[in-house]
Amino acid sequence: DQQVKQNSPSLSVQEGRISILNCDYTNSMFDYFLWYKKYPAEGPTFLISISSIKDKNEDGRFTVFLNKSAKHLSLHIVPSQPGDSAVYFCAANSGGSNYKLTFGKGTLLTVNP
Amino acid sequence: DARVTQTPRHKVTEMGQEVTMRCQPILGHNTVFWYRQTMMQGLELLAYFRNRAPLDDSGMPKDRFSAEMPDATLATLKIQPSEPRDSAVYFCASRQGWNQPQHFGDGTRLSIL
Repeated sequence: DQQVKQNSPSLSVQEGRISILNCDYTNSMFDYFLWYKKYPAEGPTFLISISSIKDKNEDGRFTVFLNKSAKHLSLHIVPSQPGDSAVYFCAANSGGSNYKLTFGKGTLLTVNP
Repeated sequence: DARVTQTPRHKVTEMGQEVTMRCQPILGHNTVFWYRQTMMQGLELLAYFRNRAPLDDSGMPKDRFSAEMPDATLATLKIQPSEPRDSAVYFCASRQGWNQPQHFGDGTRLSIL
C-alpha cells in the first residue's frame, strides 16, 4: 500500500519557466511533509518542508503548497534552472514519537536550457 | 557542512558472502536510519535507531540482515549470507530530533553476483 504517491515519473520544463511537482498521500495522520532532491550517485538532499498547520512555505525559488483536504502537496520551482535537474522525492511523517519518513517513488525533473 | 559518511561507496561480491556497510552519522544527531533503494520499491526504510537503541527493524529480512550501533559515531548494516536480490543502493541518514529533516549519506551501491 503506497501511502505517498508521485504519479508523474518525469517532468520536462524550459529554463526560466515554472516547475510544478505533485504528491498525493493517503494517511490522514501525516502532519509533516518534506521534499528531497537527488542527483545521480549522491544521497537525497533536504530541500524544503511544511507542517500541516501551514498551507504554504517558501524558500527562495522553492515553494511548497499543502492542501490537507485533498491530501495533496506540490513543489513549485520558479524560475527553473538547468541545475535543478534531478529526482525529487516527496516524503511524509506522522510526527509524535514516530520517526519514520514515508517516501514517494520520485519524479525526474529535467530543465532544458 | 557536516555530512553523513558511508563506506564503502561500492561493493561487488558473490552470493553467500558477508557484507558489512558502515555509516558515520552527523555529530550530535541522535537518530540514525538505514534505507534501501531499488527501482521497483523506491526508498524503503529498513531500520532506525534513537540514542543507539534500535526502535524499529521491521523493514529488514530478519534471517539475513542485522543492524547495530556500537557507538554514537558508527552504525553498521550486515547481510549474511548475501543474495542477488539484495543488490541495491543502501543509504544511511541521521537526524537531530523529530520533525527535523533527515540528512543522507551518498549510499553504498551493492551488487551481489
